Amino acid sequence: DVKVTQSSRYLVKRTGEKVFLECVQDMDHENMFWYRQDPGLGLRLIYFSYDVKMKEKGDIPEGYSVSREKKERFSLILESASTNQTSMYLCASKAPANYGYTFGSGTRLTVV
Amino acid sequence: GENVEQHPSTLSVQEGDSAVIKCTYSDSASNYFPWYKQELGKGPQLIIDIRSNVGEKKDQRIAVTLNKTAKHFSLHITETQPEDSAVYFCAASKGSASKIIFGSGTRLSIRP
Repeated sequence: DVKVTQSSRYLVKRTGEKVFLECVQDMDHENMFWYRQDPGLGLRLIYFSYDVKMKEKGDIPEGYSVSREKKERFSLILESASTNQTSMYLCASKAPANYGYTFGSGTRLTVV
Repeated sequence: GENVEQHPSTLSVQEGDSAVIKCTYSDSASNYFPWYKQELGKGPQLIIDIRSNVGEKKDQRIAVTLNKTAKHFSLHITETQPEDSAVYFCAASKGSASKIIFGSGTRLSIRP
């Protein structure tokens, strides 16, 4: 089975800190995605990547950036964390020919 | 762009009864409709999907129906069991090369 691993389950950071959320997948998938999940809003796409060093903005990219230096790793960066970025962050991957995503277990980030 | 609306936001059913979750989509070019189940503390997992060339698909107690004309699709769970308690997300996509757009989620609770 494809495994998508997010490095932290829970994180607490201070306002203004630079925050890195890491995601690693083990099935050589080209496509990787970062979503945030908020009650009543579902899953909203922040950024995605179709291949190494490629990135595309999703629906809510403001305040975030990403890095994809290796195929298996996709990092989400909060340059200066703010309280409105407190949320559950989900990483997903898929192969180009497939339709469905495989998600990680999520990182619950609290910014205080 | 695509917009997916999901109802209800919460649903409580007696164990053994059926549960139905409904979604609508806006982009007639969408042709892939997955359903994801998210259990507590876990990432969403694909449970069933349907493509626009079929009207219904079943997998044991779970079925999905699609009405392309009305741009509606629904998830039906029969003979509900306690382990069906979770958050369910519908989604839509224009194919394997496209990102998936998610609904806002339905929290399903099964009463013993």
